[in-house]
Amino acid sequence: SQTIHQWPATLVQPVGSPLSLECTVEGTSNPNLYWYRQAAGRGLQLLFYSVGIGQISSEVPQNLSASRPQDRQFILSSKKLLLSDSGFYLCAWSRGAEDTQYFGPGTRLTVL
Amino acid sequence: QQQVKQSPQSLIVQKGGISIINCAYENTAFDYFPWYQQFPGKGPALLIAIRPDVSEKKEGRFTISFNKSAKQFSLHIMDSQPGDSATYFCAASPGGDSNYQLIWGAGTKLIIKP
Repeated sequence: SQTIHQWPATLVQPVGSPLSLECTVEGTSNPNLYWYRQAAGRGLQLLFYSVGIGQISSEVPQNLSASRPQDRQFILSSKKLLLSDSGFYLCAWSRGAEDTQYFGPGTRLTVL
Repeated sequence: QQQVKQSPQSLIVQKGGISIINCAYENTAFDYFPWYQQFPGKGPALLIAIRPDVSEKKEGRFTISFNKSAKQFSLHIMDSQPGDSATYFCAASPGGDSNYQLIWGAGTKLIIKP
């Protein structure tokens, strides 16, 4: 069966510090990968998606970036965090030809 | 045209009652309509999904009703239970090569009162 991992589960960072969130998927190959952000009490905002290694599409221009160094690894980064980067970050995967997205447990990021 | 409008924003239902959440869309190219359930502090999980070739899909106490001509779809939770208290998201996808482009509703926070 497939599983998706995210870490860390929670993170408190000062403004201006760097960020690296990691997502890995097990039990499948060549998945589509996604990064979402969810503000408190709000819906899901798609940040990045990837259909393959090194292929990243950005949905929202901002100070975040994503990379996919391996088939089942997706990394969300920032060089300098802003207060507005606080939120619940979710990684998801889907099979290339199917529509269902499966979400990880999320990372709660607080920027102070 | 890419929006999915979800209502209500929040909903309180008595235990045993019927919870109804509605979504509307504009893009007629959408051909996949999932509902996700999210508990606090967790990622959303697929609850039930429908394609436009059927008008209704039922799984246990959860039913999706789909009205293609009105471009609307809804989630009905029968015999609502306190354990159903969660945030529910509808979504839509144009399918084909763009099937990764799930367009999300804003979510409905459902509270079931015991």
